[in-house]
Amino acid sequence: QQQVKQSPQSLIVQKGGIPIINCAYENTAFDYFPWYQQFPGKGPALLIAIRPDVSEKKEGRFTISFNKSAKQFSLHIMDSQPGDSATYFCAATIKLNGNNRLAFGKGNQVVVIP
Amino acid sequence: EAQVTQNPRYLITVTGKKLTVTCSQNMNHEYMSWYRQDPGLGLRQIYYSMNVEVTDKGDVPEGYKVSRKEKRNFPLILESPSPNQTSLYFCASSFAGGNYGYTFGSGTRLTVV
Repeated sequence: QQQVKQSPQSLIVQKGGIPIINCAYENTAFDYFPWYQQFPGKGPALLIAIRPDVSEKKEGRFTISFNKSAKQFSLHIMDSQPGDSATYFCAATIKLNGNNRLAFGKGNQVVVIP
Repeated sequence: EAQVTQNPRYLITVTGKKLTVTCSQNMNHEYMSWYRQDPGLGLRQIYYSMNVEVTDKGDVPEGYKVSRKEKRNFPLILESPSPNQTSLYFCASSFAGGNYGYTFGSGTRLTVV
């Protein structure tokens, strides 16, 4: 059961472009929405996260936009660089049985061409 | 350096031969978790632990066991591996679960033949 749906599956952009990855969720009990970045041969690493009471968050060239009413959130990579080429996972957390359970999307491969 | 260490990085084994993948963290985190990553399926949680001697099933626990006898260690045990457990496995730890970000290990690529 995929609780967080991510699109598109892959994305190729030119250097300086703005790849946008979208995620949608159904469960309104989710209360924290992180994005993880994974390079080949490495484990995922927390990139940026947002809580549902905020509509936008920026950290460096990475921005999350959050639309609570539409139950959607997206990651924008400003002025993308070849070093941003990676797989990006959106996720959402929910408190179940005392545990903050983390549900991941299927991942999106972003390739930035020089 | 704060990190999650998994061993081995690569493992090829035969069907039915018990194996253990070790995981250790040096951040004094209470939460630890195991995930498997498969193409097109993303990351799926196998088991998690909220503290020593406290473990629970994730989304895909069948065929796996875990134990948490010490805070820093969280081994993943496959009592009788099968080919459908061929996957990339990640151990992760967190201060307090998903809301505080997980630190992931570098992964263990397991092949069961």
